[in-house]
Amino acid sequence: EVQLVESGGGLVKPGGSLRLSCAASGFTFSSYSMNWVRQAPGKGLEWVSSISSSSSYIYYADSVKGRFTISRDNAKNSLYLQMNSLRAEDTAVYYCARAPGYSSGWSDYWGQGTLVTVSS
Amino acid sequence: NFMLTQPHSVSESPGKTVTISCTRSSGSIASNYVQWYQQRPGSAPTTVIYEDNQRPSGVPDRFSGSIDSSSNSASLTISGLKTEDEADYYCQSYDSSSPWVFGGGTKLTVL
Repeated sequence: EVQLVESGGGLVKPGGSLRLSCAASGFTFSSYSMNWVRQAPGKGLEWVSSISSSSSYIYYADSVKGRFTISRDNAKNSLYLQMNSLRAEDTAVYYCARAPGYSSGWSDYWGQGTLVTVSS
Repeated sequence: NFMLTQPHSVSESPGKTVTISCTRSSGSIASNYVQWYQQRPGSAPTTVIYEDNQRPSGVPDRFSGSIDSSSNSASLTISGLKTEDEADYYCQSYDSSSPWVFGGGTKLTVL
């Protein structure tokens, strides 16, 4: 069974940093592109960042470019999101999402999410 | 970059059929696959339609997807509505400069 479990969320002050993790199991993690998607309270889904299976290709939404860094450790079956210079508008539930093996254009599995709150 | 526009909300009675639209602002709707995700309150999204009209295993055949090039839009149709279908639905697509683009979401009320 495919499982994606996010962790690392919490309350952080504006300008602070946080590192999110996503532990993957039930599939060959190193063969799949992975993504972070966020959802602000009461709002819709917003794609944040993508990373290819071997980390060769990395993409960011304009709203987080230069502040967030996506990475992965295939040996540990883990995906990460380093978030720096956090702003109030970064407050959201952050979901880890797997893209199917043959395409990076959509998600076939999502984690349950971890809440990040940026507030003084 | 392009946008996907969905109605904010739709409502229909149990047993009826409802269609949710998703209009692409620029570029052809047919040039990149469209997906649909269901998100029940307090839960993570799940895929109900991928690649325009494909259903993942476990998704009932009451859910169907289509695209219409003349209106540059995609549609999600749910027939035989059940109360458990009440959720937010998001369309999603992509192109070479926009890895993942989501519509604003449609709240489906089954009353």
